[in-house]
Amino acid sequence: NAGVTQTPKFQVLKTGQSMTLQCAQDMNHNSMYWYRQDPGMGLRLIYYSASEGTTDKGEVPNGYNVSRLNKREFSLRLESAAPSQTSVYFCASISPGRVYEQYFGPGTRLTVT
Amino acid sequence: GNSVTQMEGPVTLSEEAFLTINCTYTATGYPSLFWYVQYPGEGLQLLLKATKADDKGSNKGFEATYRKETTSFHLEKGSVQVSDSAVYFCALRANAGGTSYGKLTFGQGTILTVHP
Repeated sequence: NAGVTQTPKFQVLKTGQSMTLQCAQDMNHNSMYWYRQDPGMGLRLIYYSASEGTTDKGEVPNGYNVSRLNKREFSLRLESAAPSQTSVYFCASISPGRVYEQYFGPGTRLTVT
Repeated sequence: GNSVTQMEGPVTLSEEAFLTINCTYTATGYPSLFWYVQYPGEGLQLLLKATKADDKGSNKGFEATYRKETTSFHLEKGSVQVSDSAVYFCALRANAGGTSYGKLTFGQGTILTVHP
């Protein structure tokens, strides 16, 4: 199992550009999450998907959209990037049989200039 | 709402020193509590967990006890190693049903550096 994979690992955007961060898991997990990590602020939830076909806003959803393409894939889109979106983005998933543990991807480091 | 507060870092220790990273929380009901570790350049990994009051989570020499009376879940290790250098996050999950079931609330993270 590859676990949770994310692409790209690094990205630099100019203000106003758009991009999609990809996340996939091969563990047959139902629930998937997108977080952003900023210095001194821990991880904050952007959006989550409790199951295929459903998505919900988290703590900091403004400026982002998500798509739960199928059970494996959960993408995060920035339609018009802003410098405030410079961050490290983590995708995570949770096993229905082990709801106490989230499995995290390696992260995408995004810089918006 | 739910919140987690960790001690300010960074923490710098010599090898074999005793480690404590404080964590306190605010939550309604009876949350589950976690410590996650993030090694340089990697995602977060679950280090240990406790799901009810007085539970002690332990893993790799690390321990934390769920103290409901003080709303705390402090991380301890008796003798740290250089390989323990990482960022440590305290987190809670509210034990509510529905779609909020898996959501985690994180503390701000504590950077630990261990020198030989």
